[in-house]
Amino acid sequence: GESVGLHLPTLSVQEGDNSIINCAYSNSASDYFIWYKQESGKGPQFIIDIRSNMDKRQGQRVTVLLNKTVKHLSLQIAATQPGDSAVYFCAETPTGGGNKLTFGTGTQLKVEL
Amino acid sequence: DVKVTQSSRYLVKRTGEKVFLECVQDMDHENMFWYRQDPGLGLRLIYFSYDVKMKEKGDIPEGYSVSREKKERFSLILESASTNQTSMYLCASERAVQNEKLFFGSGTQLSVL
Repeated sequence: GESVGLHLPTLSVQEGDNSIINCAYSNSASDYFIWYKQESGKGPQFIIDIRSNMDKRQGQRVTVLLNKTVKHLSLQIAATQPGDSAVYFCAETPTGGGNKLTFGTGTQLKVEL
Repeated sequence: DVKVTQSSRYLVKRTGEKVFLECVQDMDHENMFWYRQDPGLGLRLIYFSYDVKMKEKGDIPEGYSVSREKKERFSLILESASTNQTSMYLCASERAVQNEKLFFGSGTQLSVL
């Protein structure tokens, strides 16, 4: 997952712009990756996932990119809306990891009107 | 839709008390998990269970125990609560399929005074 820190990284974007949230992982054996969105006062919700045999996957307004060479994952949100304001977590699990996900520390996305 | 219900949204307990956090899921999921969430540290796995009466330690099990007497219910127990266990606790469940996404409850914010 992401490196541990005391402060939550924050990304501020203007409404309508595209957002890119990044995540670095360290485990070369990681083969399944997920992005979660957590709104204030709620539990994390699944957004999109990708397996290590892919480098890109698209959903509705979201795209996940995987670069296994540099162990980097990104989440792109097109035409960011106020409802996208939340904390975004990446998570990964290795082959044979028994579905035990390792989570990053999260990025706070703030959408400015 | 899958529903993961945590019995309490907020709890305030005293140091030394025994605390029970309850979680129920309604989709017949085999796997259930307990995480704690702290600012800057992301989600850390406390315990998980792949079946009734079965439990496995996660990354930070010290000071906690769990109980899974029924498939739909997974309880987290703090035998003697301490102030460093003040945190947001999240329960999650999933099907027992490789690379399956987790469904989370809304969380229980526990304060130990």
